[in-house]
Amino acid sequence: DIQMTQSPSSVSASVGDRVTITCRAGQGISSWLAWYQQKPGKAPKLLIYAASSLQSGVPSRFSGSGSGTDFTLTISSLQPDDFATYYCQQAHSFPWTFGQGTKVEIK
Amino acid sequence: EVQLVESGGGLVQPGGSLRLSCAASGFTFSYYWMSWVRQAPGKGLEWVANIKEDGSEKYYVDSVKGRLTISRDNAKNSLYLQMNSLRAEDTAVYYCARSFLRSSGYFDYWGQGTLVTVSS
Repeated sequence: DIQMTQSPSSVSASVGDRVTITCRAGQGISSWLAWYQQKPGKAPKLLIYAASSLQSGVPSRFSGSGSGTDFTLTISSLQPDDFATYYCQQAHSFPWTFGQGTKVEIK
Repeated sequence: EVQLVESGGGLVQPGGSLRLSCAASGFTFSYYWMSWVRQAPGKGLEWVANIKEDGSEKYYVDSVKGRLTISRDNAKNSLYLQMNSLRAEDTAVYYCARSFLRSSGYFDYWGQGTLVTVSS
């Protein structure tokens, strides 16, 4: 199984801050990576797919980059609605696996 | 509007069985691969299984092979997860999710989830 490791596990930030979350795959996955946002008690929401493609309807302050084993999710200017937990997920090979999550909290 | 609505969760004893359902609407269900993804209380996400548009291919995470079975009925726009020989570690919220871009592992729509609790 491909292990996905996110860092940090949590981050405290203020509205307007730039936030970067890192995801490392245990082996190369090309660009087969997605990012999801999840709020408490809700289902995850797809933000980014194919490492850097923005899902329809997702604000442009979200961006993704990387390929191979190292990936990043960047929120260019944190908004109140962005406080949530973020997960990366590899879609390269079965079983599809997720990172452990990064919680973005209010500073 | 795309909607996925899960049902069938509940409390079951270890070794017991449960059948989850996911009712799909707002899109042509038979055109999409579908998956089940679960989340243990306070934990992260785990992909469980997926099924091809016509049901001819199915894939599972190792920890559920032989115990959980994914199926679908395209005439009823429904996805199912038959859960047998349940264990405490199967306790989780179970989400059905639609694959974006054919057979990809990207999930663009999710249901609200149904909670399965395995406990004596």
